[in-house]
Amino acid sequence: QKEVEQNSGPLSVPEGAIASLNCTYSDRGSQSFFWYRQYSGKSPELIMFIYSNGDKEDGRFTAQLNKASQYVSLLIRDSQPSDSATYLCAVNQAGTALIFGKGTTLSVSS
Amino acid sequence: GAVVSQHPSRVICKSGTSVKIECRSLDFQATTMFWYRQFPKQSLMLMATSNEGSKATYEQGVEKDKFLINHASLTLSTLTVTSAHPEDSSFYICSAESGGATDTQYFGPGTRLTVL
Repeated sequence: QKEVEQNSGPLSVPEGAIASLNCTYSDRGSQSFFWYRQYSGKSPELIMFIYSNGDKEDGRFTAQLNKASQYVSLLIRDSQPSDSATYLCAVNQAGTALIFGKGTTLSVSS
Repeated sequence: GAVVSQHPSRVICKSGTSVKIECRSLDFQATTMFWYRQFPKQSLMLMATSNEGSKATYEQGVEKDKFLINHASLTLSTLTVTSAHPEDSSFYICSAESGGATDTQYFGPGTRLTVL
């Protein structure tokens, strides 16, 4: 069974620190990798996607992908209290539904 | 771009009634839409995959006769919860796939259903 694993947290970091969120996946055929942010009571919001090994940066966010280790991570630099949310990792192969992890809850304290 | 809307955002109904939820991709055509359900403090659960012009594919354990899905056009999919019961109370979220190399999914804002 295809699985995506995330540490449920909560991950607590002080304001201004780097938050590191990790995700592993079981299907070696996975091709696309996504990070979504979900605030309590709201639907998920796409933050980034990555499909090549290495790093991809977008503002304060950096996604890292290592297909050999079946590992994808999200770094949030200069964390803000507004970043406090649940972060969902999702993977898929082309044309198939996303498989979501259960999410990691991030808490940024001011 | 890549905006997905859902209507209604919140609905309260009596047990035994049917509720229809609409999901629209506003600025792109979505050949595939997905319906999820999320109970409080739990992860997203995929209910079904909906392709325009064909029957939806339901996940194991999801009753297709209870959760009717119609994907009538490239921008509209509907989910009808038939004969709703209190245990169907949940947060229903749709997503639409933008296509292309990454098959990125964009989520609607969700519909909170409460069945009394």
